[in-house]
Amino acid sequence: SQQGEEDPQALSIQEGENATMNCSYKTSINNLQWYRQNSGRGLVHLILIRSNEREKHSGRLRVTLDTSKKSSSLLITASRAADTASYFCATDAGFGNEKLTFGTGTRLTIIP
Amino acid sequence: KAGVTQTPRYLIKTRGQQVTLSCSPISGHRSVSWYQQTPGQGLQFLFEYFSETQRNKGNFPGRFSGRQFSNSRSEMNVSTLELGDSALYLCASSLFGTANEKLFFGSGTQLSVL
Repeated sequence: SQQGEEDPQALSIQEGENATMNCSYKTSINNLQWYRQNSGRGLVHLILIRSNEREKHSGRLRVTLDTSKKSSSLLITASRAADTASYFCATDAGFGNEKLTFGTGTRLTIIP
Repeated sequence: KAGVTQTPRYLIKTRGQQVTLSCSPISGHRSVSWYQQTPGQGLQFLFEYFSETQRNKGNFPGRFSGRQFSNSRSEMNVSTLELGDSALYLCASSLFGTANEKLFFGSGTQLSVL
């Protein structure tokens, strides 16, 4: 079963606009990570946020985490055609269980 | 540093056959995890190996097995293939396999079962 669920399942925006994706999870976590996957390829790590952090930035990426709502969001600012990909959140299952569980992903399409 | 290497890239098998997939992690990484990715189910965790020992296992039947060698390279085996086993199989490596580490993924093996 999925620990994380991304929303929306698919998103299409114009190049230059901002894209926001959300992830909800079910159980307490220690860390949450976001990954990107280009079509049919392996996943690439984007950012990790710990449970005691509320916001983290990396370049054009901004991730927020709300542990009270068990949710996270990924914001990509000033989108580019190269950002077209699927985005996944991944969570652990809390202390003592290091296994990472991935959500179902958001398919992002940037329209030039 | 070379990335995670998975071989073969594509594989076509028929029902009932068995298949072995290979994964070479990044040099120095001792943890290797395997995932199955299908359009309907997303990424499903198969198992994780660390220093030749299976530490975690997902909810897959016994037809799915794996092992890790002393050089950290890993293989997974699927016996008695079923149509539903058609998927992209991804392996990922990290130094210690802890949840606060990022995973480095290979490009995957696309398995088609006919």
